[in-house]
Amino acid sequence: AQTVTQSQPEMSVQEAETVTLSCTYDTSESNYYLFWYKQPPSRQMILVIRQEAYKQQNATENRFSVNFQKAAKSFSLKISDSQLGDTAMYFCAFTVGNAGNMLTFGGGTRLMVKP
Amino acid sequence: DADVTQTPRNRITKTGKRIMLECSQTKGHDRMYWYRQDPGLGLRLIYYSFDVKDINKGEISDGYSVSRQAQAKFSLSLESAIPNQTALYFCATSETGTGHTGELFFGEGSRLTVL
Repeated sequence: AQTVTQSQPEMSVQEAETVTLSCTYDTSESNYYLFWYKQPPSRQMILVIRQEAYKQQNATENRFSVNFQKAAKSFSLKISDSQLGDTAMYFCAFTVGNAGNMLTFGGGTRLMVKP
Repeated sequence: DADVTQTPRNRITKTGKRIMLECSQTKGHDRMYWYRQDPGLGLRLIYYSFDVKDINKGEISDGYSVSRQAQAKFSLSLESAIPNQTALYFCATSETGTGHTGELFFGEGSRLTVL
């Protein structure tokens, strides 16, 4: 079975600073997708960034980027120039390529951006 | 209007009551899912459906049942609610086919409290 682990239950960062959220996963598959979802207080689940395992290049979306280390099974999220609106729960998620989009989620990291 | 709509958004009920959470979507996706979110545990899959005639149990299906009334509608039932079913419930949809991204599209969540 696949597992996803987020080792940081809570983190805080000063506005405009950079923060990195950690995620590790365990799988024997070679074809899979990794995701970071954001859940603000409105509780809506919002896709932040997505990475295909076969791509060596790390995904980037504006201030959000990932450090994908396939051999280490690590998928960390870096948020640059943190903004107050980044305050949210962040979930790392994983799905095998042929698993019908059934995502396995980590336990989440609560991020607080301080002014 | 949201592409994936859940009703009710919030519900308080008593132990032993029957509860139905409803989900409808306008994304035209065949695949639909019910997840449950608990603090520290992330989101866990309850049931999923790949089309109207296909229903499958997820990781934590005990105490729940589902009905796929149409491509656009997928409801979750608790036949006899118990306090440890107090949680935030999410409906989600996803694409199929070779061009799919693996991404899930979520509703706004239904918070259920069982007293």
